[in-house]
Amino acid sequence: QQQVKQSPQSLIVQKGGISIINCAYENTAFDYFPWYQQFPGKGPALLIAIRPDVSEKKEGRFTISFNKSAKQFSLHIMDSQPGDSATYFCAASMLGNEKLTFGTGTRLTIIP
Amino acid sequence: KAGVTQTPRYLIKTRGQQVTLSCSPISGHRSVSWYQQTPGQGLQFLFEYFSETQRNKGNFPGRFSGRQFSNSRSEMNVSTLELGDSALYLCASSLDTGGQGEQFFGPGTRLTVL
Repeated sequence: QQQVKQSPQSLIVQKGGISIINCAYENTAFDYFPWYQQFPGKGPALLIAIRPDVSEKKEGRFTISFNKSAKQFSLHIMDSQPGDSATYFCAASMLGNEKLTFGTGTRLTIIP
Repeated sequence: KAGVTQTPRYLIKTRGQQVTLSCSPISGHRSVSWYQQTPGQGLQFLFEYFSETQRNKGNFPGRFSGRQFSNSRSEMNVSTLELGDSALYLCASSLDTGGQGEQFFGPGTRLTVL
């Protein structure tokens, strides 16, 4: 049973544009929502994370928007750059539990 | 500070064989988790070890097992390999902040089963 749904599967954005990736979860016990970035041949690396007590978190060009009532959260990449081309995964975990439940991933390509 | 290291990086086995993968966490990290990554199923949690004890387990058959040593290094073992076990196996370590801290992933071991 997939507990975190991620869309789109792939995304092409022009350089300087905004990249938006969406995730939805089912389990209301989730209370930690990280986003990971993965380059080919590398393991995932934490990009930014949010807890449900805030609706938005911004770090540089990366912003997470969180809607607790809709059980949805999204990643926005502002001023997208070719170096942002990678696969992005949303994830969720519960308090006291190291287990991450991942979305299916979004392959992002930034074109000049 | 050195990152998470995994050995070997690549492995080719045949059906029916068994394999052992190794993971050295970041110094000071006591929690080690293992994930399987495939194009079809994505990233799936295998198990987590803390202080040499399995603390959490995913939905994988008993052919998949692991252990953790007193220095926090961890190994995972897959017995009676099947073609479907071909995947990237990722290890992640964390300081164990109650499930709310950053997990640092290694580069993975690419296992191919022929």
